[in-house]
Amino acid sequence: QAQLQQSGPGLLQPSQTLSLTCAISGDSVFSNSGAWNWIRQSPSGGLEWLGRTYYRSRWHTDYALSVKSRMTINSDTSKNQISMQLNSVTPDDTAVYYCAGGPGAFDSWGQGTLVTVSS
Amino acid sequence: EIVLTQSPGTLSLSPGERVTLSCRASQSVPTTSLAWYQQKFGQAPRLLIYGTSSRATGIPDKFSGSGSGTDFTLTISRLEPEDFAVYYCQQYFTSLTFGGGTKVEIK
Repeated sequence: QAQLQQSGPGLLQPSQTLSLTCAISGDSVFSNSGAWNWIRQSPSGGLEWLGRTYYRSRWHTDYALSVKSRMTINSDTSKNQISMQLNSVTPDDTAVYYCAGGPGAFDSWGQGTLVTVSS
Repeated sequence: EIVLTQSPGTLSLSPGERVTLSCRASQSVPTTSLAWYQQKFGQAPRLLIYGTSSRATGIPDKFSGSGSGTDFTLTISRLEPEDFAVYYCQQYFTSLTFGGGTKVEIK
C-alpha cells in the first residue's frame, strides 16, 4: 500500500482556514483502484470521514454533508499529493486529521496531524 | 446516513481469551462494504478486515470477520497483549461512516 506523509500547521484561531497536505509515495494520485480521503478524529475518539478525491478519466470529489460548504480537496499531480482546506474553523473543528487511501476500506493512512482551534 | 452502533463500548478481558465484537448498521450494508480497524493510542487506525471477512495484507488469521445485512462481527480467536486496543467498524456502501468503537482492555 501507499505511504502517506502529512504536513500543515497544528494551531489555528477561530475563523481561520485549515490547510493540510498529504504527500503520496508508493502509488500514484491517479490510482484507478482507490480514492484519497480526509478523515478526522475528535478528542472523544469518534472517527468522521470528511471527503475524498479520485481520478476516473477526470477528477471527482465528494464531501460529507457536515463540511461540504466549508471544505475543498485538491490534487497536485506534479507533486503526487492531495490537499484539503477547511474554512471558517471553530473550536469544534479541533481534532486529529488523517489522510487515507484505499478502494473503500482504507489500507494506507498518514501519521495524523493534531489541529487545535483556539483563541 | 448509515449509522453503525458498536457494542459493548468497553470489554475487559484477559490474554488468551476469545473475543467477539459487534457492529450493527441502521440499514442493510452489502458484505462487500464493511471493514474493521484496530487503533492503538497515538497511532492511526490499521485496516484489519475488508469486505466483511477478507483479511488485509499482513493481518494474522486470529482475526476473522463475519456477518451480513445489518449485523457484523469481528472475532479475535486468542487475545495477545498487542491486541488490546480500540476497534472500529466502517461501512463504505453509502458515503462512509464509522462506528463509535469498542475498547478492548486488559482485565
